[in-house]
Amino acid sequence: QKEVEQNSGPLSVPEGAIASLNCTYSDRGSQSFFWYRQYSGKSPELIMFIYSNGDKEDGRFTAQLNKASQYVSLLIRDSQPSDSATYLCAVTGTASKLTFGTGTRLQVTL
Amino acid sequence: SAVISQKPSRDICQRGTSLTIQCQVDSQVTMMFWYRQQPGQSLTLIATANQGSEATYESGFVIDKFPISRPNLTFSTLTVSNMSPEDSSIYLCSVEGWDLETQYFGPGTRLLVL
Repeated sequence: QKEVEQNSGPLSVPEGAIASLNCTYSDRGSQSFFWYRQYSGKSPELIMFIYSNGDKEDGRFTAQLNKASQYVSLLIRDSQPSDSATYLCAVTGTASKLTFGTGTRLQVTL
Repeated sequence: SAVISQKPSRDICQRGTSLTIQCQVDSQVTMMFWYRQQPGQSLTLIATANQGSEATYESGFVIDKFPISRPNLTFSTLTVSNMSPEDSSIYLCSVEGWDLETQYFGPGTRLLVL
């Protein structure tokens, strides 16, 4: 079983719609959860982090965490073509090490 | 967040040779990390580098293959030794943020081994 799982996509959404990206993790002791955006040929860029159950909003981005279900998601409102990228979910488990999912490729279409 | 640079940004190397990748940060950080991202795949942690102590390697990575130096709080190097085509990858360094939870990545080094 993979430690952090994501649907590889591509997830295609029209411009202006809400993109919903999902991630599940296996380590119940995980404490911190991160979303990174990676454009093709570039390094990952941190866009959101969440530590507590519930929602956390930052601009067009909302991270949602449900520790009981071992589930974290990222919502992107009013999706723009510039949001087209691979979104990596990362989880800090024991020993404070980041474990990454394989990423979901998002395509925002005109 | 810190400004992180890596050198070289890319290189093409012959099998059997070694390449040293440098990572420089514009502020002092305790923890630095080295990752590998193979084509089409996600990031895999190679090792954690703390200043003043030996690097801690993840399962599947050994010091003889990936020696790491951490001479001060703003600099680290990763050497990829005795390279083979399977080492072709992007190598990324990262540093912990001020909150000791987040990590920020350098621009990466694209390595192609022929």
